[in-house]
Amino acid sequence: GAGVSQSPRYKVAKRGQDVALRCDPISGHVSLFWYQQALGQGPEFLTYFQNEAQLDKSGLPSDRFFAERPEGSVSTLKIQRTQQEDSAVYLCASSFLRGNEQFFGPGTRLTVL
Amino acid sequence: AQSVTQPDIHITVSEGASLELRCNYSYGATPYLFWYVQSPGQGLQLLLKYFSGDTLVQGIKGFEAEFKRSQSSFNLRKPSVHWSDAAEYFCAVEINQAGTALIFGKGTTLSVSS
Repeated sequence: GAGVSQSPRYKVAKRGQDVALRCDPISGHVSLFWYQQALGQGPEFLTYFQNEAQLDKSGLPSDRFFAERPEGSVSTLKIQRTQQEDSAVYLCASSFLRGNEQFFGPGTRLTVL
Repeated sequence: AQSVTQPDIHITVSEGASLELRCNYSYGATPYLFWYVQSPGQGLQLLLKYFSGDTLVQGIKGFEAEFKRSQSSFNLRKPSVHWSDAAEYFCAVEINQAGTALIFGKGTTLSVSS
């Protein structure tokens, strides 16, 4: 596609529910990043993939957060047993290689009630 | 720890006036430096970046930024602001040697008055 796409764009979950957020990177981009952007804050790094390998997950806030990219293209960020503090915009970015410009998707706004 | 500071949370500028958004970073060496813009409901768009070389970099939409090593700063400027420039602006760094992801500041909201 022309850019990074994310779905759904908006997600409302009840506390305790599991959610799955999808990212379709730009075709051919090796690197994929997930960021979390809380209201009024800058994005914060969650995790990084190079192809299908998750090379850095140091930013994941708890073991309720899990990400995968099984075939090296589409990635899914899963949050189990959602809590109110998980409410944020989740941004996905891809780049051809690490160190190149990151292209961001529009984000998924998650609201946990 | 590495950090990025954007001292101004909100700035209002008259249309046609000049703009400067401040950014300071904390890191021992020179990182890669970026400015992104985020409009409501939109993803982050790269305005410009500095890796090395000329310390004055030109970006899209008439923006420029100057890297000042002595001040650990990378301020964004535009000589004449347009109403469409109203958005959230983020400064970011990438610690290339360590290979980490982007570290963002908290952002500056720009409002443009007519």
